[in-house]
Amino acid sequence: NAGVTQTPKFQVLKTGQSMTLQCAQDMNHEYMSWYRQDPGMGLRLIHYSVGAGITDQGEVPNGYNVSRSTTEDFPLRLLSAAPSQTSVYFCASTRNIGQAALANGYTFGSGTRLTIV
Amino acid sequence: GQQLNQSPQSMFIQEGEDVSMNCTSSSIFNTWLWYKQEPGEGPVLLIALYKAGELTSNGRLTAQFGITRKDSFLNISASIPSDVGIYFCAGRGSSNTGKLIFGQGTTLQVKP
Repeated sequence: NAGVTQTPKFQVLKTGQSMTLQCAQDMNHEYMSWYRQDPGMGLRLIHYSVGAGITDQGEVPNGYNVSRSTTEDFPLRLLSAAPSQTSVYFCASTRNIGQAALANGYTFGSGTRLTIV
Repeated sequence: GQQLNQSPQSMFIQEGEDVSMNCTSSSIFNTWLWYKQEPGEGPVLLIALYKAGELTSNGRLTAQFGITRKDSFLNISASIPSDVGIYFCAGRGSSNTGKLIFGQGTTLQVKP
């Protein structure tokens, strides 16, 4: 099925460990982004990419790295996990950044629930 | 940076009642979006608004883009149990990066 696929769905890490959250879309979307969702704070933008080879920081980028080597994939890396990074992470994509894209909205993955102990 | 304040934080209503929630911003937005999130899933777009004053409906849902471009509201009429979820407003400012800023969310519970 077409859409945004996130893996894993759940993960528990120890403080200081590193890991990569995977995000892949098969809709040829140019724009991809990562959000974290915390209770009472909505979704906050971590990093985003407007196309392969281009990435930029969102509201809360510290502690996270991204890369966009292909149109399809946008992995999020935690370099040294901290308890404050316990959250639900969502990847989202859209065809382009114009108004027509917003008419269809962003397509969100089903999320990765990450717990840092 | 730009911030959105969404209210109320949560609502517990009886089936059949109407619901209203709103978002306000400290700065102007060019686009307002309303999303719904169900447990274990990502948000799904309900309504998109592009012009100040615009009023748009999607079934029992109606949303408006405020005249000042700093606020938006969402109404749900005759609520049903499947309306349960978290509703988010999201706005895009003047930059052309596609970045969306999200409100804190309104959790809606509907009692049958």
